[in-house]
Amino acid sequence: GEDVEQSLFLSVREGDSSVINCTYTDSSSTYLYWYKQEPGAGLQLLTYIFSNMDMKQDQRLTVLLNKKDKHLSLRIADTQTGDSAIYFCAESRGNTGGFKTIFGAGTRLFVKA
Amino acid sequence: SQTIHQWPATLVQPVGSPLSLECTVEGTSNPNLYWYRQAAGRGLQLLFYSVGIGQISSEVPQNLSASRPQDRQFILSSKKLLLSDSGFYLCAWRDGGWNEQYFGPGTRLTVT
Repeated sequence: GEDVEQSLFLSVREGDSSVINCTYTDSSSTYLYWYKQEPGAGLQLLTYIFSNMDMKQDQRLTVLLNKKDKHLSLRIADTQTGDSAIYFCAESRGNTGGFKTIFGAGTRLFVKA
Repeated sequence: SQTIHQWPATLVQPVGSPLSLECTVEGTSNPNLYWYRQAAGRGLQLLFYSVGIGQISSEVPQNLSASRPQDRQFILSSKKLLLSDSGFYLCAWRDGGWNEQYFGPGTRLTVT
């Protein structure tokens, strides 16, 4: 199937690291993404990784990609209350009709002060 | 710089009434355009995407339709709304040569 799966809820204490996991199904996906959605707002791209990479680091964010297991993770270091949001994993597939992106259901991150 | 607009921001409509949601993009040309729906507590469901004027691909069969009358305008419509059409509708665009996708602020639709 086309499912992108991720756990629905994660709770951490402020200052701890958060790790959000995701599995995808299409081994031909060229790009994998993490988006953030704050309440009542649209989605904001946080970071992305090309499928030929294993890891990408961007300030407090670290993305790990295991292509063999089709597993993607997002680590947020020193998690802050402002990081509380829904985080979506997504994979992008290209075809002759253009690119489309398949999203997971989203992981709601709750950061306790 | 590029911006994406959606309106209205919120909408309450009775069952059986028509729907028209509009999305426009500024600052780019020939973008790929997308409509998503996010039901309460659920992920994003891709409804339609378009790679050019008049070109619409439907991902999920339903009572919704989409049109792209101009290069940077994408419209989501329905002739008769159902209760199950309630949700948060997001428009997005992507530069055909680059895969980052940009989302609009969304329209919250409540069908009563």
